[in-house]
Amino acid sequence: KQEVTQIPAALSVPEGENLVLNCSFTDSAIYNLQWFRQDPGKGLTSLLLIQSSQREQTSGRLNASLDKSSGRSTLYIAASQPGDSATYLCAVAGNTPLVFGKGTRLSVIA
Amino acid sequence: DVKVTQSSRYLVKRTGEKVFLECVQDMDHENMFWYRQDPGLGLRLIYFSYDVKMKEKGDIPEGYSVSREKKERFSLILESASTNQTSMYLCASSPTDAGRTYEQYFGPGTRLTVT
Repeated sequence: KQEVTQIPAALSVPEGENLVLNCSFTDSAIYNLQWFRQDPGKGLTSLLLIQSSQREQTSGRLNASLDKSSGRSTLYIAASQPGDSATYLCAVAGNTPLVFGKGTRLSVIA
Repeated sequence: DVKVTQSSRYLVKRTGEKVFLECVQDMDHENMFWYRQDPGLGLRLIYFSYDVKMKEKGDIPEGYSVSREKKERFSLILESASTNQTSMYLCASSPTDAGRTYEQYFGPGTRLTVT
């Protein structure tokens, strides 16, 4: 059964810092991996989707990479801002619907 | 822009009541999903549907049922609400290509409290 782990569970950084969020999964037979952002009490907003054949995707200050063979993905956030404070979740799609990690709660301090 | 809407943002119900949570998407997506999200447990899949009138159990279907009579609408039903069903409920939809599900889009969530 697919398991997705996100480390760390929480992270606090000063504004302007570059940071990396980690996601690992146990079964490398995936179709895609998706990164989401969730603000408190709200739904999930899709940030990036990486197909299994891709190595990375970029959107603005965000860059997500995927290493299927090692079961890892990273979300890189450049020049962090207080508005980036949220919980970030990764999810993998394989033969079953999306399996989610429990998220990393990010706080960017002004 | 894909839009997924949920009928209520906040809902308070009494134990034993029958509860309906509605979800509507406007992008003609084949797939729709219901999750619940609880602190420390993350998102857990309750039910999903690949087509009209089709449904599949997720990881935690007990105490829930679903209905999909139209492609754009997916309803979650709590037959007899219990306090352990107090949670945030999230609906999502996604397109299908060659049998694979693609990017999921989420609604704003319904915070259900059962007293």
